Amino acid sequence: DAKTTQPPSMDCAEGRAANLPCNHSTISGNEYVYWYRQIHSQGPQYIIHGLKNNETNEMASLIITEDRKSSTLILPHATLRDTAVYYCIVRTNYNQGGKLIFGQGTELSVKP
Amino acid sequence: DTGVSQDPRHKITKRGQNVTFRCDPISEHNRLYWYRQTLGQGPEFLTYFQNEAQLEKSRLLSDRFSAERPKGSFSTLEIQRTEQGDSAMYLCASSLAGQTNQPQHFGDGTRLSIL
Repeated sequence: DAKTTQPPSMDCAEGRAANLPCNHSTISGNEYVYWYRQIHSQGPQYIIHGLKNNETNEMASLIITEDRKSSTLILPHATLRDTAVYYCIVRTNYNQGGKLIFGQGTELSVKP
Repeated sequence: DTGVSQDPRHKITKRGQNVTFRCDPISEHNRLYWYRQTLGQGPEFLTYFQNEAQLEKSRLLSDRFSAERPKGSFSTLEIQRTEQGDSAMYLCASSLAGQTNQPQHFGDGTRLSIL
């Protein structure tokens, strides 16, 4: 079973920041938080990952709480092309392959 | 573009036929994964290879399914005697094994429809 909980859907106005929450209260000390998104009819696209520090790249920022029980993915200026299903994943057993266990994700709709 | 490539993108076949899909990973990636995704659900793990060795198989991978990666480069996934329930998107991903967490990168999948 997935180790994360996400809201099933969210709306965001174009140009505004999209803040996608994720709960992972049972995360272990060496487990990373990964975010992927999937646009209709495409494969999942890697966005960002982190262990305990906040991370930023050209796509998004990842804020992880100090107790690591939750995180937030931030898309700073959402565009219509950011409409997708966003998956938050706790990746386990990296040295044994690190398969990804996807939940239902959050369906983000960016509206003009 | 040197991302993960999957072929074919779409496959329609009659129940009972055999089908084979191919995945070409990113060239230096030594780990390769297969996932299956049904409508409205997130992808589910099927199996993974490190180089040519198949190191883990999900219980979802019934006896009718077989995957190979003979030279540690491309991989094939074969389904024998297809059933209606096999209709899904089959996704391949690859990554680089190492001491730091390396993300998996996905192809755009093969959509299988069983008539």
